[in-house]
Amino acid sequence: GAGVSQSPSNKVTEKGKDVELRCDPISGHTALYWYRQRLGQGLEFLIYFQGNSAPDKSGLPSDRFSAERTGESVSTLTIQRTQQEDSAVYLCASSPMGSEAFFGQGTRLTVV
Amino acid sequence: AQTVTQSQPEMSVQEAETVTLSCTYDTSESNYYLFWYKQPPSRQMILVIRQEAYKQQNATENRFSVNFQKAAKSFSLKISDSQLGDTAMYFCAFMRSRDDKIIFGKGTRLHILP
Repeated sequence: GAGVSQSPSNKVTEKGKDVELRCDPISGHTALYWYRQRLGQGLEFLIYFQGNSAPDKSGLPSDRFSAERTGESVSTLTIQRTQQEDSAVYLCASSPMGSEAFFGQGTRLTVV
Repeated sequence: AQTVTQSQPEMSVQEAETVTLSCTYDTSESNYYLFWYKQPPSRQMILVIRQEAYKQQNATENRFSVNFQKAAKSFSLKISDSQLGDTAMYFCAFMRSRDDKIIFGKGTRLHILP
């Protein structure tokens, strides 16, 4: 079956532009997670969803970051007015209840 | 708040040797899961092994095993007969059972030397 799909796989954007990153979870997975990974670093928690509600948004770095999820399906992470420090790989994962997370390949974002 | 600490940023071992990666965590939760993930240079995160906190028996998957010490809040990963393909970043992760939030440690970069 299909795994977690993220698009685009790579994105280069100019400083100040808005970007949207998309995540298609595995069908039937209730939880969906977004993490940020800077080069050579660990996974920084951003936000997660249970269904289409977000119980914990504490990891979003600033009000330029937002995310939404449609039902138990697609999620979009939006970064407004991008800055160079936003350059990173953005990883999405999904999981059924009470189980490990399955990860997508990530979106590499470069802000120039 | 939960925290996950991996105290070894980088390790190197010879092929065929055994290596242990350490992980400690801090939580007031009683029900949770622990995981080890591997991230090779391809960037794809792969689950290596999982442990339910209510199980006393340590999880084992082929050459990979854990030493789960609940009272000490320690969850180390042992890789036996290490292979070149084990070269990767390894992340320890904690998941709360009540809401499935998952947090990760900062990772250990493991090099297996020929």
